[in-house]
Amino acid sequence: KAGVTQTPRYLIKTRGQQVTLSCSPISGHRSVSWYQQTPGQGLQFLFEYFSETQRNKGNFPGRFSGRQFSNSRSEMNVSTLELGDSALYLCASSLLAGRSGANVLTFGAGSRLTVL
Amino acid sequence: GDSVTQMEGPVTLSEEAFLTINCTYTATGYPSLFWYVQYPGEGLQLLLKATKADDKGSNKGFEATYRKETTSFHLEKGSVQVSDSAVYFCALPYSGGGADGLTFGKGTHLIIQP
Repeated sequence: KAGVTQTPRYLIKTRGQQVTLSCSPISGHRSVSWYQQTPGQGLQFLFEYFSETQRNKGNFPGRFSGRQFSNSRSEMNVSTLELGDSALYLCASSLLAGRSGANVLTFGAGSRLTVL
Repeated sequence: GDSVTQMEGPVTLSEEAFLTINCTYTATGYPSLFWYVQYPGEGLQLLLKATKADDKGSNKGFEATYRKETTSFHLEKGSVQVSDSAVYFCALPYSGGGADGLTFGKGTHLIIQP
C-alpha cells in the first residue's frame, strides 16, 4: 500500500513569504504528526492531529500552524518565513490503535524548505 | 521537560564489530521508548521499541533493553554490516498530551567500513 506522501519534496522561498506543505497519510491512518529536522536542533515535534483536531503542539512560534481535513490529509503552514526556517519538514502517520505514546509512526520522505 | 540524550558521533566501526549506542532519558513515569533509523536517502523508520520497564525490543539483529534504574535504552548489535550505516535516533513520547508526538535525541551517525 502507498506510504506517507509529502508534497512538494523541495521548495525555495524568500524571507517574509509563506509556505504550505501537504501530507497524505497511509490509507486508514487517522493520526498525523509533523516534525522539523535541522542540523543544529535535530528533530523537533511541531504538532499532531487526529480527527481534524490538534491534540498537541510543540514549542514553536505561532507562525507555524497546521490543520487536518476530514480525509485525514494534513497541511502545515509557515508564515513570514525566516532564514532559520530552512529545514526538512517530516510528516508521520499512525493508526492510533495502540496505547497513547506507544504507537508506531510511519514517516514520509519530507519536504525540504530553503529560505533565502 | 522530558528529554533524550544520546552520543552524536559520527561513530565509525569496521564490519563485524560490536555496536553500542548509548541513550539516556529524563521523563516522568515510565514512557515507551523507541529507536528510529534514517538510512541514506530514505525516510525515518522504526527500528524497535519497548513499552515498559525491563522490556527488550529487537529487530534486524539490534536489541535495546528498557532500564528504569539507569533511565537508559542503549542500542546494541553483535556484528554490524556496511548496510547498517545510517543515523539512529532514540525517542520517547512528547510531554503535554496527545498520542503521537515524539521527543528525539540529536541522532547518532553510524559509519561501517568494510
